[in-house]
Amino acid sequence: SQQGEEDPQALSIQEGENATMNCSYKTSINNLQWYRQNSGRGLVHLILIRSNEREKHSGRLRVTLDTSKKSSSLLITASRAADTASYFCATDGGTSYGKLTFGQGTILTVHP
Amino acid sequence: GAVVSQHPSRVICKSGTSVKIECRSLDFQATTMFWYRQFPKQSLMLMATSNEGSKATYEQGVEKDKFLINHASLTLSTLTVTSAHPEDSSFYICSARGGVSNSPLHFGNGTRLTVT
Repeated sequence: SQQGEEDPQALSIQEGENATMNCSYKTSINNLQWYRQNSGRGLVHLILIRSNEREKHSGRLRVTLDTSKKSSSLLITASRAADTASYFCATDGGTSYGKLTFGQGTILTVHP
Repeated sequence: GAVVSQHPSRVICKSGTSVKIECRSLDFQATTMFWYRQFPKQSLMLMATSNEGSKATYEQGVEKDKFLINHASLTLSTLTVTSAHPEDSSFYICSARGGVSNSPLHFGNGTRLTVT
C-alpha cells in the first residue's frame, strides 16, 4: 500500500521560479528519499534525509523533514525547463531489506 | 555512479505468452533487487523483493505464480510474466541497492509491456 501522499499532484511554473512539493507519510521512518522520473524512464535518486535531520541541501534542491508532522518538502530553486519531470518521495521504514514505499508523485512542468 | 540495466525497454506480446524481463547491476553487486509496477501517471507499486540465492518475497495481492522472480546471481534478477493478459500491460521497473539497507536505490529504465 502507498504510504505517502504528495501535493500538489501537478505543478506548472515558469522558468526561474521556485517549485515546492510536499509529501506526507503515516508510519515511522528511518529516512525519506526524493526521486525524479522523466516520462517513460526509471527513477533517479535526488536526495536522502535521515529521520534525525531537519534540512538538507544539494545544489538547487532543498529538502526539509518534520517527523512530528510526518511530512517533508522538496524545494527546487531557480527552476529550468529541464526540471520538468515527476517527483516522488519514498520512505524507508527500516526493514532489513530497506524496502521503500513511494508517494503518489508530483508532476512538475516548467515552461521556458 | 551505479548503473542498473533493464532489458528489454519495450515488449509487445500476445495473450497467453510469457515474457522475461532482465535486471542487471553493471558495476556493483546487488544482494537485493526490487520489482515495481507503475500504471500511467501513478506511483510505483512494489511487487516483490528479490534476494540472491533465495525465494522472492511478494507483496500482498501479487501472484507469485504469475510473476516469477529469479535472482540467480549478485548481478542479475529476472521477472517473468507468465501467461500474460492485457491487464498485465504496464510499466515494470527494477531497482537494486549496492550498499547498506539505507543507501539509495538505483533504478533500471523500465520495461513497457503491452499484451495484445
